[in-house]
Amino acid sequence: NAGVTQTPKFQVLKTGQSMTLQCAQDMNHEYMSWYRQDPGMGLRLIHYSVGAGITDQGEVPNGYNVSRSTTEDFPLRLLSAAPSQTSVYFCASSSYSGANVLTFGAGSRLTVL
Amino acid sequence: QQQVKQSPQSLIVQKGGISIINCAYENTAFDYFPWYQQFPGKGPALLIAIRPDVSEKKEGRFTISFNKSAKQFSLHIMDSQPGDSATYFCAALYNFNKFYFGSGTKLNVKP
Repeated sequence: NAGVTQTPKFQVLKTGQSMTLQCAQDMNHEYMSWYRQDPGMGLRLIHYSVGAGITDQGEVPNGYNVSRSTTEDFPLRLLSAAPSQTSVYFCASSSYSGANVLTFGAGSRLTVL
Repeated sequence: QQQVKQSPQSLIVQKGGISIINCAYENTAFDYFPWYQQFPGKGPALLIAIRPDVSEKKEGRFTISFNKSAKQFSLHIMDSQPGDSATYFCAALYNFNKFYFGSGTKLNVKP
């Protein structure tokens, strides 16, 4: 049982480049979400999804796009990367029958030059 | 502004001592308050959680104290061990779908 898998673990981009952070879960969780972790800021919610075809914005959605075509996958897209998007990104999922327990992936460290 | 305020930013405790981390919130619509533990290079993992109709919850050496009227909650780690050295995040859940996290506390337990 892999849980939540994030790829890539590390990525360096130049300003203006685009990329997609991948997130997959094999627990049949309805809820999936993306967070960014910055020093002194904790974890901030970027986007979340309550099921396939349904997404919504979190605290800091600007500059990021998401889609949810399947229950398992929830990719995060940066269309035009900016240095302010340098961060560690975490994907997390939960089941609504699981008492709101978030299962996190191992994280993806993104540097934008 | 931060929806959940956490303090202290860092904490050094001797082995066997008590570690205390505090969080405060303003939004009375929050209805679930978990604590997450994160080791370097790993994702956070749920440690313990409480709902606002309960004033205290204990699991082993970890206790959450919850003060609904003051809109504050805290994590107490009894008999702290070097293996507890990690970053701890409090959080609050809004409307079933949005978790708001505190800024984190880096705990260092000295042997």
